[in-house]
Amino acid sequence: DIVLTQAPLSVSVTPGESASISCRSSKSLLSSKGITSLYWYLQKPGKSPQLLIYRMSNLASGVPDRFSGSGSETDFTLKISKVETEDVGVYYCAQFLEYPNTFGAGTKLELK
Amino acid sequence: EVQLVETGGGLVQPGKSLKLTCATSGFTFSTAWMHWVRQSPEKRLEWIARIKDKSNNYATDYVESVKGRFTISRDDSKSSVYLQMNSLKEEDTATYYCSVYYGSYWGQGVMVTVSS
Repeated sequence: DIVLTQAPLSVSVTPGESASISCRSSKSLLSSKGITSLYWYLQKPGKSPQLLIYRMSNLASGVPDRFSGSGSETDFTLKISKVETEDVGVYYCAQFLEYPNTFGAGTKLELK
Repeated sequence: EVQLVETGGGLVQPGKSLKLTCATSGFTFSTAWMHWVRQSPEKRLEWIARIKDKSNNYATDYVESVKGRFTISRDDSKSSVYLQMNSLKEEDTATYYCSVYYGSYWGQGVMVTVSS
């Protein structure tokens, strides 16, 4: 199974500042079709996960452009510029390249 | 508006069975690949099953930990997907979500507690 390792496990950010979360895959997530199958989700307290980024760098519908995704075949970064109070929660990366689909352990974002 | 609503959770003894239902609306269910994902009390997310559409022969896949015990199925006439869970173990205790389109949409989740 593909293992996704997130870092850090928690991050504390002052509102208005930026935050970055890393996700490292045990295998390349680049498919034969040239698609990198890495996704980012945010789970706000008491809510279901919501999609932020699909295929490594594409912003999901309705997601503020303060969020951005980047990376290579195995190393990925979610960046949140100008963090707002509504960004608090746990961020997960996930791969849909092959089954079983797998998730990272999550990164908890808190405000200072 | 896309909606996914899970039902059927509850408290069950180890070794017993439970069937979850995910009723959907707001999208073309018949061509969608449906997934079940669970979240442990420690907040770990685990994908557990997927069922493809009719054109792909309703093919299924499972995570190893539930193979032979869980069965995913669907009824396109009811726009619903199901998860039959047999031989439940304490480690199956989790909140179970259905989702679609690479996690673009999720249900609100349903809790399953396996305990004697």
